[in-house]
Amino acid sequence: GAVVSQHPSRVICKSGTSVKIECRSLDFQATTMFWYRQFPKKSLMLMATSNEGSKATYEQGVEKDKFLINHASLTLSTLTVTSAHPEDSSFYICSARRGTGEINYGYTFGSGTRLTVV
Amino acid sequence: AQSVTQPDIHITVSEGASLELRCNYSYGATPYLFWYVQSPGQGLQLLLKYFSGDTLVQGIKGFEAEFKRSQSSFNLRKPSVHWSDAAEYFCAVAPFSFQKLVFGTGTRLLVSP
Repeated sequence: GAVVSQHPSRVICKSGTSVKIECRSLDFQATTMFWYRQFPKKSLMLMATSNEGSKATYEQGVEKDKFLINHASLTLSTLTVTSAHPEDSSFYICSARRGTGEINYGYTFGSGTRLTVV
Repeated sequence: AQSVTQPDIHITVSEGASLELRCNYSYGATPYLFWYVQSPGQGLQLLLKYFSGDTLVQGIKGFEAEFKRSQSSFNLRKPSVHWSDAAEYFCAVAPFSFQKLVFGTGTRLLVSP
């Protein structure tokens, strides 16, 4: 089955530093990658959608300069939280979609990254 | 406004009892429908999905869901709950264009002995 590997699973960083989170599709080509943020005991909030080789499309209210998304290949997408602050602490999850016509494959989620900014 | 509603924030069920988690959506056309489960600190696992055809969908771990167009609902059911089913359950929809997923607020399932 389709697998998305997300790393790191947990990261603690100092305020003002940047953190990079990686998502790799291991056995399929992810033409579209979605990045979500989940607050404690809350639902998933879509941050941005990225298509391979194109600039990411950010949801309203998401700072594109703070949350840099790169989708340079069909198997790798990265989310970089720049100049992190404690309010950026959250659970971040990526999701990959295979193709546009293969709807039966749906979306595959990574295991998430717990970011704590101190 | 287009939305996904899970009216129950949390539900407690005795082990062995049946379960039904509710999900309603408000979209003009029937979207693609999904149920996911999330264990604490983990990503999401797909339980089942509905695109078209038979409105009763079978999923993994003994779960099933029924799509009811007249009620704009896609409720998740399980005839006999196990303690390992305790988790957060999310209903999600993808509008007809099959772009981004929109999630409900989730229902936390607690299983009592």
